[in-house]
Amino acid sequence: EPEVTQTPSHQVTQMGQEVILRCVPISNHLYFYWYRQILGQKVEFLVSFYNNEISEKSEIFDDQFSVERPDGSNFTLKIRSTKLEDSAMYFCASLPLTVNEQFFGPGTRLTVL
Amino acid sequence: GQQLNQSPQSMFIQEGEDVSMNCTSSSIFNTWLWYKQDPGEGPVLLIALYKAGELTSNGRLTAQFGITRKDSFLNISASIPSDVGIYFCAGQTGGADGLTFGKGTHLIIQP
Repeated sequence: EPEVTQTPSHQVTQMGQEVILRCVPISNHLYFYWYRQILGQKVEFLVSFYNNEISEKSEIFDDQFSVERPDGSNFTLKIRSTKLEDSAMYFCASLPLTVNEQFFGPGTRLTVL
Repeated sequence: GQQLNQSPQSMFIQEGEDVSMNCTSSSIFNTWLWYKQDPGEGPVLLIALYKAGELTSNGRLTAQFGITRKDSFLNISASIPSDVGIYFCAGQTGGADGLTFGKGTHLIIQP
């Protein structure tokens, strides 16, 4: 069964450094999403992406964040200058056209020191 | 932003017992979804509800989309050890919008 994949599974970085989190959505899906989950808390929506542009973003998704679909398969989330409070699990999700069900990847655990 | 109130926060039950959890919202959602999350993994979709009043089953799981579109419940019958995990409700306004998640119900099954 097709799956959303994410790399790396765990990323450790120093405060102020840039990180890029990578996702490969399911191949025939057209909507892509990033969510984050701070340890022990709920999953929070960051941004959605369709047709090579952002379609919706939350107030969490400030100028430090950007998303890109650099080729036909990858979907990336960049954090320009990481802060301690960016430490969280980051989940990618994708949505097919045929059914309104978002499929989540296994997540990347980001630790900012 | 929109908020979902999910309860209970945690449940300690015996294997074989039935479980019930619910979510309420002050605003209307057009889709309700229930996800399960195991430690260190991403949420996995259990049930999706698209119409007010809809009652849907998936094996031992049953979920309903409240008639006011502001609430939903999830029942698990005859719980088994692999049901352990965190259950999240999620609401969605438009078809491809980002999901609003509840804070989760942590299900613990005592042997």
